[in-house]
Amino acid sequence: DVKVTQSSRYLVKRTGEKVFLECVQDMDHENMFWYRQDPGLGLRLIYFSYDVKMKEKGDIPEGYSVSREKKERFSLILESASTNQTSMYLCASSQTTTEQYFGPGTRLTVT
Amino acid sequence: GQNIDQPTEMTATEGAIVQINCTYQTSGFNGLFWYQQHAGEAPTFLSYNVLDGLEEKGRFSSFLSRSKGYSYLLLKELQMKDSASYLCAVRDGRYGGATNKLIFGTGTLLAVQP
Repeated sequence: DVKVTQSSRYLVKRTGEKVFLECVQDMDHENMFWYRQDPGLGLRLIYFSYDVKMKEKGDIPEGYSVSREKKERFSLILESASTNQTSMYLCASSQTTTEQYFGPGTRLTVT
Repeated sequence: GQNIDQPTEMTATEGAIVQINCTYQTSGFNGLFWYQQHAGEAPTFLSYNVLDGLEEKGRFSSFLSRSKGYSYLLLKELQMKDSASYLCAVRDGRYGGATNKLIFGTGTLLAVQP
């Protein structure tokens, strides 16, 4: 079974803090993705990566950065957390043409 | 532009059949996915269509018409555990499928009643 894990299920941070969300997949997938999910807005893509050290902006990259130093790990960084970044963050991975597999999600609250 | 439309909510009765529609307008098309998401959980893959027609997988079927920009997910013999959000997603054809970038609809919340 494909397994995608995320470092935390729940996280509470203060405004201005630097926040790291980690995602690890164990199926040697080329592609990895970071989404946020908000009520009424659905899943929105923040960043994705199609290879090690490669990254592409998604639809809402402002305020975020990413890092992919190893194939199995994709990190999302909030340089200076703000209250409007309170959300559910979902990581996913896939082969080039197959379905995406999602991690359990991290519910981030910024106070 | 990129746009995917689904009904926001639907209600159906246990044992019945329900059809959830999805229409899309995207710059290029390279496949359509349906996902199920229970409250508080991650989305899980249900089906994939890239050619016109019906794909059947147990109680779930998915249909695609590329010329109409239209898909539906059909759920038969509804069970209470089918209460969930159903997400329609289109692979972004601008990348030629090379990166598997998906565009998601906002999802349809299905409530199955006894």
